[in-house]
Amino acid sequence: AAGVIQSPRHLIKEKRETATLKCYPIPRHDTVYWYQQGPGQDPQFLISFYEKMQSDKGSIPDRFSAQQFSDYHSELNMSSLELGDSALYFCASSLAGGETQYFGPGTRLLVL
Amino acid sequence: GNSVTQMEGPVTLSEEAFLTINCTYTATGYPSLFWYVQYPGEGLQLLLKATKADDKGSNKGFEATYRKETTSFHLEKGSVQVSDSAVYFCALSDRSSASKIIFGSGTRLSIRP
Repeated sequence: AAGVIQSPRHLIKEKRETATLKCYPIPRHDTVYWYQQGPGQDPQFLISFYEKMQSDKGSIPDRFSAQQFSDYHSELNMSSLELGDSALYFCASSLAGGETQYFGPGTRLLVL
Repeated sequence: GNSVTQMEGPVTLSEEAFLTINCTYTATGYPSLFWYVQYPGEGLQLLLKATKADDKGSNKGFEATYRKETTSFHLEKGSVQVSDSAVYFCALSDRSSASKIIFGSGTRLSIRP
């Protein structure tokens, strides 16, 4: 069965650079969520989208922005990267009204 | 607000031992409850879920029962294997659509051969 696809899987950036993470949800899923997992921590919710509209917002820094496109894929844009942004970034998808979220393999971002 | 509290780790067991990882939650309304597993170097996989009181979720020999009276969702397995070594996250989501998942802090499980 098709799963959530995230790219890239690994990314190395310097401080103050920008990064773009991409997420392709499971086919027919119209809701996308982004989470950040710091080293040894639990995943923290950043932001979600339903039908290309932001549906909920968590602890997402102002330096980050995200959007969902007409094909339901989503991109997380991160600017002015800081060392503390080094983390595993997960995307998850679900059907509208469905409470089960399916997670992608994550993008591991390292900021040097 | 909603929150999840789970057993601190790490937990180390011998192969074929009985496993319990405790999880309790605080939520308004009636959340859906989940256990996710994260194997070393990998992403989050849904292990099992329960959507209403007294539901039992089960998968790969793991079980958890949604206990409304004790607000708990403890994870159990009768006989663990080395391949079960991973980090286990208890989680909840509000029943409303497009709702974020709130995770517990995770419990690292190591199984000795």
